Amino acid sequence: NAGVTQTPKFQVLKTGQSMTLQCAQDMNHNSMYWYRQDPGMGLRLIYYSASEGTTDKGEVPNGYNVSRLNKREFSLRLESAAPSQTSVYFCASIKGQGARGNTIYFGEGSWLTVV
Amino acid sequence: SQQGEEDPQALSIQEGENATMNCSYKTSINNLQWYRQNSGRGLVHLILIRSNEREKHSGRLRVTLDTSKKSSSLLITASRAADTASYFCATDPTGGFKTIFGAGTRLFVKA
Repeated sequence: NAGVTQTPKFQVLKTGQSMTLQCAQDMNHNSMYWYRQDPGMGLRLIYYSASEGTTDKGEVPNGYNVSRLNKREFSLRLESAAPSQTSVYFCASIKGQGARGNTIYFGEGSWLTVV
Repeated sequence: SQQGEEDPQALSIQEGENATMNCSYKTSINNLQWYRQNSGRGLVHLILIRSNEREKHSGRLRVTLDTSKKSSSLLITASRAADTASYFCATDPTGGFKTIFGAGTRLFVKA
């Protein structure tokens, strides 16, 4: 049981380039999330998807787009990368529709550097 | 701004000692969770405490919740070097949909 799998693990981008972070979960969870983690800032929610076919903005959505491709997959796209998007990105999933005390399962993270 | 804020930001103790981390939050909550993150890895769920609970135990972990003070504490007893990690509190605000994480406490347990 792989849980939450995200790729790539590491990526270096030049300013202005685009890329997509892929995430898949095999736990049949309804909700999926993308967070970014920066030193001293904890995890900040970028976008979330409460169920297949729906997506909503989180705390820091600017510069990102998401696609809930199906129940398993939730991708995060940077259309024009900026140095401020240098961060560690975590995909996560929850069994129910939203947090509400449900355990959040995290992927192993994607380290993105924009130069 | 973060809903949850952990204190201290960093903690260094000897193996065998107890480690206490605190979390304060700003709005009323339904639940509060603690997560652990080993260096270079994702977060892993440790324990959840609901707003109508005051204390909860799981193995060497003890969590308390004081909703009147909007604070929680995580106690790790008889710490081990393997407990070295960052610990995050996460809150589910009442009426909200999204779990909000604090900035974390970095715990270092010296062997």
